[in-house]
Amino acid sequence: QVQLQESGPGLVKPSQTLSLTCTVSGDSISSSDYYWSWIRHHPGKGLEWIGYIFNSGSTYYNPSLKSRVTMSIDTSKNQFSLKLTSLTAADTAMYYCATERPAGIINYWGQGTLVTVSS
Amino acid sequence: DIQMTQSPSSLSASVGDRVTITCRASQSISNSLNWYQHKPGKAPKLLIYAASSLRSGVPSRFTGSGSGTDFTLTISSLQPEDFATYYCQQSYNTPGTFGQGTKLEIK
Repeated sequence: QVQLQESGPGLVKPSQTLSLTCTVSGDSISSSDYYWSWIRHHPGKGLEWIGYIFNSGSTYYNPSLKSRVTMSIDTSKNQFSLKLTSLTAADTAMYYCATERPAGIINYWGQGTLVTVSS
Repeated sequence: DIQMTQSPSSLSASVGDRVTITCRASQSISNSLNWYQHKPGKAPKLLIYAASSLRSGVPSRFTGSGSGTDFTLTISSLQPEDFATYYCQQSYNTPGTFGQGTKLEIK
């Protein structure tokens, strides 16, 4: 069974860049056919799919965030990462990494990491 | 983006009750509908995919149905561990979009 663990800063200042990493265990990023995804949950609101990266490095980002998002993958560490630039308070959310099957089914999730954007 | 609307937003029920949660899509999504369970502090869990396929290991008291725009998740006999928030998600289009959630609480 795949396990995922997010890591990164809990507090980031407005206008700065958020960097999160997801460490994968129980599967190899380089050989898996999953998409490696990021999803966030705004307090009191719904879940928002941010995007995914495949082990080839190909990516797909939510058009609403595309201009600010970069995802990368490090097969040597079995990790994938998210960078989100130009943060505002609206980016305050619980951020989850997840595995996604090609049909868009999110079959494994991390426990999430809370990111607060505040000065 | 396809909008997903869940109802009710919250629900109080007792152990042993049968409960139904509904999810409506803003356009037809065929059977590309998935259900997740989320407990506070835990990783969300996939319960049902493709509208009615039960994920391996998920108890059979969970059933999903529907196609097109209207879908339901039914829990036939609530157990204490079922009290959680449930989300639907369409995977017909990318980006996949989620319902706002249904919080199932103990009466």
